Amino acid sequence: GESVGLHLPTLSVQEGDNSIINCAYSNSASDYFIWYKQESGKGPQFIIDIRSNMDKRQGQRVTVLLNKTVKHLSLQIAATQPGDSAVYFCAENRGGYQKVTFGIGTKLQVIP
Amino acid sequence: NAGVMQNPRHLVRRRGQEARLRCSPMKGHSHVYWYRQLPEEGLKFMVYLQKENIIDESGMPKERFSAEFPKEGPSILRIQQVVRGDSAAYFCASSPEQGMGTEAFFGQGTRLTVV
Repeated sequence: GESVGLHLPTLSVQEGDNSIINCAYSNSASDYFIWYKQESGKGPQFIIDIRSNMDKRQGQRVTVLLNKTVKHLSLQIAATQPGDSAVYFCAENRGGYQKVTFGIGTKLQVIP
Repeated sequence: NAGVMQNPRHLVRRRGQEARLRCSPMKGHSHVYWYRQLPEEGLKFMVYLQKENIIDESGMPKERFSAEFPKEGPSILRIQQVVRGDSAAYFCASSPEQGMGTEAFFGQGTRLTVV
């Protein structure tokens, strides 16, 4: 069935290193993807998005890569900081509105 | 401009009681979405509403659950005769318009505990 899933449930990274969080999706018709950050006790916070007609999009310290051939999405965080510690969700937007399908999430732990 | 406001933040109900969760969207936003999150899981879409209209309720259980977004006031997610399995965090998001690329802003959530 259709799903959005993550490869690693937990990722530990040394402060200052780069982080890479991966995501696989199964619906080849998906055309819009979003990364969210969720800190403990808070709601998801939009980080960056990418449309299926793009391979790469950069933001401030973050880069999202989309590989449609293998249905893979990744979020790269440069110079990871303690404040980046959170659960990161990739999400898929279909239906022309914000009916977003979330994956399970990857917990990023930054080691000072 | 205040963000999406949800209340209460924490709600405890006994089995069989009713739970009412409120969501005030950001100013100027007329689209509201409700999601449910179980521990250690992602958010699951429940329902999408515009003012006075339910657009998509495909993720909402057919029984005991209802949602509304009246012309005036907050959106309400109502759970009747709660059971232990309803314990979860319920998040509301709002956006100014529909369509891809329209960023939705999430509230802090209501954590429902059924005892």
